[in-house]
Amino acid sequence: EAGVVQSPRYKIIEKKQPVAFWCNPISGHNTLYWYRQNLGQGPELLIRYENEEAVDDSQLPKDRFSAERLKGVDSTLKIQPAELGDSAVYLCASSLDRYEQYFGPGTRLLVL
Amino acid sequence: GENVEQHPSTLSVQEGDSAVIKCTYSDSASNYFPWYKQELGKGPQLIIDIRSNVGEKKDQRIAVTLNKTAKHFSLHITETQPEDSAVYFCAASGAAGGSYIPTFGRGTSLIVHP
Repeated sequence: EAGVVQSPRYKIIEKKQPVAFWCNPISGHNTLYWYRQNLGQGPELLIRYENEEAVDDSQLPKDRFSAERLKGVDSTLKIQPAELGDSAVYLCASSLDRYEQYFGPGTRLLVL
Repeated sequence: GENVEQHPSTLSVQEGDSAVIKCTYSDSASNYFPWYKQELGKGPQLIIDIRSNVGEKKDQRIAVTLNKTAKHFSLHITETQPEDSAVYFCAASGAAGGSYIPTFGRGTSLIVHP
C-alpha cells in the first residue's frame, strides 16, 4: 500500500513569493492533516480535514495561508506571500480513525 | 490546551543498552498517546501507541507505559541498535470537543553508538 505522497520535497523561494504544497493521502483515509515543523521541534497542526471539510483551522495564519481539499482526496496548502519565518518542513498526514496518523516525507521550504 | 513536556532532549547510549524517554501531559481528557520516530529527512513514523484504558504495551524491543494518575508516559527501547538512532516524539491527544489533534513533545535525539 502506498504511503502519504507529498510534493515537492524541497522548495527554495524568495520572500514575498507564493508557494504551494501538494499531498495525496493513503487511499481510504478520510482525515487529512497539514502540520508545520520548525527545526528542533515537534509538528504543529495547521489544519485538519474530514473529507472535504476543514474542521480544525484555528492555527492556520489565514492572512497568508490557504488550503483546499477538493473531492475529499488530495489537498493543497498555499502560502502567499511567503515570509522568512515560514521556512520549515510542511508535513501532511492522514488517518482512518482519527487516532493513528501516517505522515508523508514532508516538503522542506526555505524562504530567502 | 494540552501541554506535553519531553525529556531528555538528547540521549546517548551504547549499542545493546536500554533507552528510556519520558513525557508528561497536562490535559486529563487526553486518552491517546502515540510515539513517533523521525529519521533525518523523513516524516515521523508511528512506532507504538497506547490508549488510556491500558497501562502498558509492548512490541518486540519497544514498550510504552502510561500512568494516568501522574499524567506521564514513557517509551522504553531495549537492546538498542545503531538503526534506532533518530529523533523520537511523544504526543497526547483526546476527544475533547470532538477533536483528536495531537500535541507533540519537542523530541528526543537518540544516538546509539556501535
